[in-house]
Amino acid sequence: SQQGEEDPQALSIQEGENATMNCSYKTSINNLQWYRQNSGRGLVHLILIRSNEREKHSGRLRVTLDTSKKSSSLLITASRAADTASYFCATDALGAQKLVFGQGTRLTINP
Amino acid sequence: GAVVSQHPSRVICKSGTSVKIECRSLDFQATTMFWYRQFPKQSLMLMATSNEGSKATYEQGVEKDKFLINHASLTLSTLTVTSAHPEDSSFYICSATHGGPQETQYFGPGTRLLVL
Repeated sequence: SQQGEEDPQALSIQEGENATMNCSYKTSINNLQWYRQNSGRGLVHLILIRSNEREKHSGRLRVTLDTSKKSSSLLITASRAADTASYFCATDALGAQKLVFGQGTRLTINP
Repeated sequence: GAVVSQHPSRVICKSGTSVKIECRSLDFQATTMFWYRQFPKQSLMLMATSNEGSKATYEQGVEKDKFLINHASLTLSTLTVTSAHPEDSSFYICSATHGGPQETQYFGPGTRLLVL
């Protein structure tokens, strides 16, 4: 069953603005990962944050993790048209030996 | 970075035929490979976990006799959709990890299957 719930389901912003996507999950995890998927393509790994980490940066990406609230956020700063894609969080639950994906957020950056 | 390929990228077949999809890790040895299915505008659903040299572990509701998985080497896993039907039309994506399941999974580009 899908553990991750993401919101919003769809987000449309202007180029240059920041985009924030949220992910909530239900059980204790080893780590949480964010992936990007362009339409009809495979997934690209963006960032992994472990359960003992609270924040992580990679270029224009900033991920936070709050294990007490079982939630994570992905912030994309200074968005570009090329950032248009679907973004998925995936959790690696303790003892689960597999990733469970959220429903995803479809992000559209308008030029 | 680690590269995973899939072949074919898209396939159209007649109902009742079988289709084989290959997943290869090109520059690393994949101890574990995963097969997912994704319907339009939906998330990825894990179908099975495949460990080299052992039987695949299927998720609940996935028919092991219909979706045959073989992981004969550390760089190749195959998914065969047997007796395909139109409802099997979907986007099939594999991933591979060279660490344990807790490590990053590297995804293939996906295979779009259309069953007529």
